[in-house]
Amino acid sequence: DAGITQSPRHKVTETGTPVTLRCHQTENHRYMYWYRQDPGHGLRLIHYSYGVKDTDKGEVSDGYSVSRSKTEDFLLTLESATSSQTSVYFCAISESSKTEAFFGQGTRLTVV
Amino acid sequence: SQQGEEDPQALSIQEGENATMNCSYKTSINNLQWYRQNSGRGLVHLILIRSNEREKHSGRLRVTLDTSKKSSSLLITASRAADTASYFCANRETSGSRLTFGEGTQLTVNP
Repeated sequence: DAGITQSPRHKVTETGTPVTLRCHQTENHRYMYWYRQDPGHGLRLIHYSYGVKDTDKGEVSDGYSVSRSKTEDFLLTLESATSSQTSVYFCAISESSKTEAFFGQGTRLTVV
Repeated sequence: SQQGEEDPQALSIQEGENATMNCSYKTSINNLQWYRQNSGRGLVHLILIRSNEREKHSGRLRVTLDTSKKSSSLLITASRAADTASYFCANRETSGSRLTFGEGTQLTVNP
């Protein structure tokens, strides 16, 4: 399995609090992605990174920010969590634009 | 939305039958990829087809790509109960960075 770890795996938080999810890789892959998965919507891209400090928005980026200060870590922050951000969050990595992506096991986030 | 579409949303077949899933996308692509997800798990890569390829095989999997129609299909031959899962297509834009997924097809293979 590709060396990709998401933490935490489960989290319950209150509306209005900030939350940070971490994706850590040991593969030295250039690309990293954050997706959310909700019933009926498949996987939707939140933010992605194509290098250290190089990030861009995906299709559902409102309310989320990211940072990548090191190759191995890609952080997703919910600035002020809302119930609509209750979801399963997946991180993925990819070595290049010509290769497949490898996924973490997911983080189940519940905002109450 | 830049998401592609997958069709059908759900497919139920008997063991031994073939399963075909279709995917459409909206942008110019570098490659198209298919993934599988078992319930409660992360996605696992199945096969990648480049924009200059029209067909690719891997074991019981056959993928086709028609860039003029912006569509792809995944065929699983001689299906097994263990093939029961959700299947997603993902397209890699020509720019190379963004990887966009479709909404998935839930395949159920009945023993």
